[in-house]
Amino acid sequence: QVQLQVSGPGLVKPSETLSLTCIVSGDSISNSYWTWIRQPTGKGLEWIGYVYHTGNTNYNPSLKSRITMSVDKSKNQFSLNLTSVTAADTAVYYCGRLRGSIADYWGQGTLVTVSS
Amino acid sequence: EVVLTQSPATLSLSPGEGATLSCRASQSISGYLAWFQQKPGQAPRLLIYDASNRATGIPGRFSGSGSGADFTLTISSLEPEDFALYYCQQRSNWPWTFGQGTKVEIK
Repeated sequence: QVQLQVSGPGLVKPSETLSLTCIVSGDSISNSYWTWIRQPTGKGLEWIGYVYHTGNTNYNPSLKSRITMSVDKSKNQFSLNLTSVTAADTAVYYCGRLRGSIADYWGQGTLVTVSS
Repeated sequence: EVVLTQSPATLSLSPGEGATLSCRASQSISGYLAWFQQKPGQAPRLLIYDASNRATGIPGRFSGSGSGADFTLTISSLEPEDFALYYCQQRSNWPWTFGQGTKVEIK
């Protein structure tokens, strides 16, 4: 059974960097693409981007200048960094597995609030 | 960016009734459409991928159809656990996008 668990701070100050890690169990990080999706409170879902274990990435153009995604194969986990955050980045952040570009497994999600 | 428009916004039905949810794309997305179910406080769950393929473990009462720009999710007979929010999502054009959701609520 594939499981994904997001970890990271729940509160980030404006202009700082949001950093999240997704720990994968039940599957090797080298087998799939891995993705981040977010959902502002009471709003719809937005795709942030995805990463492969080789380091290949694809980012949403609306966020591209502020995103970095990476994979740590030794720890079977992947990460998201989002720089220069504002209140508009407040959201529940989900990590997920992509199989054939289909998000078949999602982590529970974590609420990140941007506030001073 | 492909815009997905879901209708209706809310569907009020009773257990045992059938539900039909619609998703229309702003351009053709071939068959690259998925449906997700989300319950409060939970992550979305994949129900249908590539328009009509049920994901692993999804009951047979859920079915999807459509191609091009018009898609439908049908729930043949609503169970109590089916009352939730449903999203469609396209993977034809990057960035992949979601519809705004249809809430299926108990009448």
